[in-house]
Amino acid sequence: ILNVEQSPQSLHVQEGDSTNFTCSFPSSNFYALHWYRWETAKSPEALFVMTLNGDEKKKGRISATLNTKEGYSYLYIKGSQPEDSATYLCASLLDSWGKLQFGAGTQVVVTP
Amino acid sequence: DAMVIQNPRYQVTQFGKPVTLSCSQTLNHNVMYWYQQKSSQAPKLLFHYYDKDFNNEADTPDNFQSRRPNTSFCFLDIRSPGLGDAAMYLCATSSAGPRNSPLHFGNGTRLTVT
Repeated sequence: ILNVEQSPQSLHVQEGDSTNFTCSFPSSNFYALHWYRWETAKSPEALFVMTLNGDEKKKGRISATLNTKEGYSYLYIKGSQPEDSATYLCASLLDSWGKLQFGAGTQVVVTP
Repeated sequence: DAMVIQNPRYQVTQFGKPVTLSCSQTLNHNVMYWYQQKSSQAPKLLFHYYDKDFNNEADTPDNFQSRRPNTSFCFLDIRSPGLGDAAMYLCATSSAGPRNSPLHFGNGTRLTVT
């Protein structure tokens, strides 16, 4: 994998349901993996910065896992709420000083 | 609250008419970035500054220039905007590089070229 890819591109979730989606990134020369939440008309907000293989991070109902050897990260939303509706971006750090390569995002729509 | 502020929120310019987008930060971060995002695509890094050191991405068109007169401010100049330059432009900062720290983004400037 040369680019950062996210799937699916979009998903619709019923309120209360849990969901997850994927970020795939180049596994060679891994430095860090970032997740951001971007709500409409707001600025992207950092969720997680992950650096260690097997790492798992949690923020409220949102959690993420990281597999650096195979080059993927999952983001999970437990018990989705309408306020979770946003585009979720992941980004892989390509070098040690700061070039982040972003994926195109997964747009999540939570319906009541 | 410390933050990253982009002005204006929406900018309309004419084909070929120079335009400047601005970004300011109160976080006192060393690193500042400019990203371009076109509809449904991944944000693309145009350039970044580490303090005053300017780093241009190889595929950033010459039409795009940037200035960072001090730690707090950074500008994106588009010398002759084309229709293909219509996009959301995001400014972001980082304290010492994103290996362990997240980026802090502004709200973005949506540029329309008529």
